[in-house]
Amino acid sequence: KNQVEQSPQSLIILEGKNCTLQCNYTVSPFSNLRWYKQDTGRGPVSLTIMTFSENTKSNGRYTATLDADTKQSSLHITASQLSDSASYICVVSASNAGNMLTFGGGTRLMVKP
Amino acid sequence: ETGVTQTPRHLVMGMTNKKSLKCEQHLGHNAMYWYKQSAKKPLELMFVYNFKEQTENNSVPSRFSPECPNSSHLFLHLHTLQPEDSALYLCASSQALAGGLYEQYFGPGTRLTVT
Repeated sequence: KNQVEQSPQSLIILEGKNCTLQCNYTVSPFSNLRWYKQDTGRGPVSLTIMTFSENTKSNGRYTATLDADTKQSSLHITASQLSDSASYICVVSASNAGNMLTFGGGTRLMVKP
Repeated sequence: ETGVTQTPRHLVMGMTNKKSLKCEQHLGHNAMYWYKQSAKKPLELMFVYNFKEQTENNSVPSRFSPECPNSSHLFLHLHTLQPEDSALYLCASSQALAGGLYEQYFGPGTRLTVT
């Protein structure tokens, strides 16, 4: 069964600090992995998307890494801001019929002043 | 904004009511999706439409009935819901079926409360 597990479930950090969110998956055959940011009461917004051949991708202060061998990904946030408070969702796609997405449960990040 | 709108944003309904959720995308996409997001659970895919044809029904109870009159509009008709159906219902669209490199764009969601 395709699964995506994220850790930690929640995280509190001080403004200006860095943090790293983890994602482990068992989706097969692998197509791509995406990280989304979801603000409270809003729909998810894409941050990065990585295919099998990519092991790092940045979007401003967000840097995602992918290790397709160990089936792990991380999202690193640098110099956190209050506006980074949100849920971060890891989503993995399988390259088989339907190409549907498997969603992780998300990490709830709170940045405090 | 992402170009995907949903109405209403909030809905409270009794178990005997009938209501509909509406989604509209202004991105020229061909695929549209309904997701359910319950508290502390991953997003659950409910329905997928590709070029107005339903391609996925993820074992959703019949009290949820989707309708896709054209590639820009998607409805979710609700009747005789249960309290456990209370959740955030998200609509999304993509250029083609997601899973390849086609990005899914999400609407803001409808917060549904069933009393």
